[in-house]
Amino acid sequence: DAGVIQSPRHEVTEMGQEVTLRCKPISGHDYLFWYRQTMMRGLELLIYFNNNVPIDDSGMPEDRFSAKMPNASFSTLKIQPSEPRDSAVYFCASSLSGSLDEQYFGPGTRLTVT
Amino acid sequence: GENVEQHPSTLSVQEGDSAVIKCTYSDSASNYFPWYKQELGKRPQLIIDIRSNVGEKKDQRIAVTLNKTAKHFSLHITETQPEDSAVYFCAASIGPSNTGNQFYFGTGTSLTVIP
Repeated sequence: DAGVIQSPRHEVTEMGQEVTLRCKPISGHDYLFWYRQTMMRGLELLIYFNNNVPIDDSGMPEDRFSAKMPNASFSTLKIQPSEPRDSAVYFCASSLSGSLDEQYFGPGTRLTVT
Repeated sequence: GENVEQHPSTLSVQEGDSAVIKCTYSDSASNYFPWYKQELGKRPQLIIDIRSNVGEKKDQRIAVTLNKTAKHFSLHITETQPEDSAVYFCAASIGPSNTGNQFYFGTGTSLTVIP
């Protein structure tokens, strides 16, 4: 298995533009997690899905952020409109169970909003 | 909710010396405490973990200790090597539970091992 796949690996966009980050979990993993990592706040859990259903989105910073999982092999995190403070590395992770010890992280997407 | 604090934010040690990184947490319901190593531009990698029913765990040069009463846990790296240089961060997890899993991460410690 190729592991968790994220695209793009780097994204540079201008303030106000829509940004879509993509994730393909490991096949067979029922849980998918979206994280944001910044120097100031470290790693933060934004939202996670179980069997394609959002379970906890309390970490989503505001209405500009939305996440979907239309099927077991694909998820998106969308920011609209983007702002400079959204600049961060966004990680996707997947696991068989919902616990932290079995999570596999993707390579991350480095987002820069100018 | 849970609050995880990590210290120090940066740490420099001479090769061969030991490094200790500490984390505190606030929610006594937290029951799982992993440590991650993240090299520059790479994804976090789980290096060691401890559960709330254990006080100490060791894996070669790496050990983790947990003090549930004081609500703190520490990462110990002995005989440090240049390849240990990375950002290390801790986490505290509550779960699994019927209401879902909750994860809280420290802000990281940048460790530099000086040859």
